[in-house]
Amino acid sequence: EAEVAQSPRYKITEKSQAVAFWCDPISGHATLYWYRQILGQGPELLVQFQDESVVDDSQLPKDRFSAERLKGVDSTLKIQPAELGDSAMYLCASSFDRVNTEAFFGQGTRLTVV
Amino acid sequence: GNSVTQMEGPVTLSEEAFLTINCTYTATGYPSLFWYVQYPGEGLQLLLKATKADDKGSNKGFEATYRKETTSFHLEKGSVQVSDSAVYFCALSDSGNTPLVFGKGTRLSVIA
Repeated sequence: EAEVAQSPRYKITEKSQAVAFWCDPISGHATLYWYRQILGQGPELLVQFQDESVVDDSQLPKDRFSAERLKGVDSTLKIQPAELGDSAMYLCASSFDRVNTEAFFGQGTRLTVV
Repeated sequence: GNSVTQMEGPVTLSEEAFLTINCTYTATGYPSLFWYVQYPGEGLQLLLKATKADDKGSNKGFEATYRKETTSFHLEKGSVQVSDSAVYFCALSDSGNTPLVFGKGTRLSVIA
C-alpha cells in the first residue's frame, strides 16, 4: 500500500541550530501539505503545495521557516534558527489534488529543541 | 473563518461500551467532513468521511452522519475495544478546495 514517507522520525536539536525534514508523498499526488502538531492540539497547516508551487503559506513563520518542492515530488521543510517553541510533531500529507482533499499522512517527525 | 469544535477529553470507557464524540463546525461554504484517528507515536489515518448533508460515513464499526441543520458530525461506535484507544480528530475541508482544518482532538482510553 502506498504511503507518505517522512524522515527522520525523531530529531533533537539545540536552539539556534538549523534543522530539516524530508517528505516523499504518495506517487501521483499533486498536492502536498506540511502541518505542525503541538502536543495535545490538532494539526495546523504550515504550507500547501500544488505541484512545485506554493498555494498557501500564510501560517508559515517565514523569518525562520522555509519549504520547497523543487520538482513537484518530494519536499523539504527547514527551520533556521530553531527555537524552543518549535518543539512539535511535523506532519506531511498528500492528496490527489486540491479538490479531492482526502489527505494521507506520514508518520511525522517529532522535533525536540533543547 | 472555518473552525471545528470537539468535546474535551480524555474519554475513558470500559470495553463494549457505547462511544460518542461530539463535533460541531463552522464553515463559510459547503464543507466535506472527516474523522481521523491517531495512534500513539503515529501519524493520522483517515477513519471516515462525508461530503454532503445526511451522508453517513462508516468504517471499522465507527459511524458519523453529516447534519447540516445542526452543523454537526458526531462520531459513534456501538461497542468499543481496547484497540480503539487513540486520539480522534474531527476535520473539515471547505467547499472541497481548501486544506483540512482540525479540531483539537479527543483522547479515548478503553479499559478491559
